[in-house]
Amino acid sequence: NAGVTQTPKFRVLKTGQSMTLLCAQDMNHEYMYWYRQDPGMGLRLIHYSVGEGTTAKGEVPDGYNVSRLKKQNFLLGLESAAPSQTSVYFCASSDQAGTDTQYFGPGTRLTVL
Amino acid sequence: GQNIDQPTEMTATEGAIVQINCTYQTSGFNGLFWYQQHAGEAPTFLSYNVLDGLEEKGRFSSFLSRSKGYSYLLLKELQMKDSASYLCALTGGSSNTGKLIFGQGTTLQVKP
Repeated sequence: NAGVTQTPKFRVLKTGQSMTLLCAQDMNHEYMYWYRQDPGMGLRLIHYSVGEGTTAKGEVPDGYNVSRLKKQNFLLGLESAAPSQTSVYFCASSDQAGTDTQYFGPGTRLTVL
Repeated sequence: GQNIDQPTEMTATEGAIVQINCTYQTSGFNGLFWYQQHAGEAPTFLSYNVLDGLEEKGRFSSFLSRSKGYSYLLLKELQMKDSASYLCALTGGSSNTGKLIFGQGTTLQVKP
């Protein structure tokens, strides 16, 4: 039982490049979330999913897209990376909304030059 | 909307007790979480409060007062490994999607 895993762990992009961050969970959780964490800003929700095939916008969705084609996977895409997207990205999952603990992945540290 | 405030940094001595406060202004929420995050690592769950009052779990306790818009995390018998950031987060509201709104976190440094 690996919990929540994220790939890659580190990545450096040039402005304008695209990439996809993969989040996988093996706990059969319905709900999955993508956050970004910046110094002094705390964790901010980018997009989330309440089940396979569904996605919704969070607090800071601009510049990102997501897909949840399989229940265990939640992908975060950057179509045209910008320096403002330099951050640490965390994925999380939970079994039930509102009352259940969110379990976080180890994070992806992304630098956009 | 929701607004959550925590002190940015705190320092305490090994073996002591420290209280980390979290104040919030919100139109409604289901519960309040506290997470611990060591530098360079993922946040991990510490506690969850739904009802007013104190929840105790070993050396850690968390308190919630909905009427005062206030919560605190109490750490007893501090150890060096407690040096970390402590994140307060609210969940719920009108839509039951499990979304968490986080405060900016409090970085605690425990000194010998």
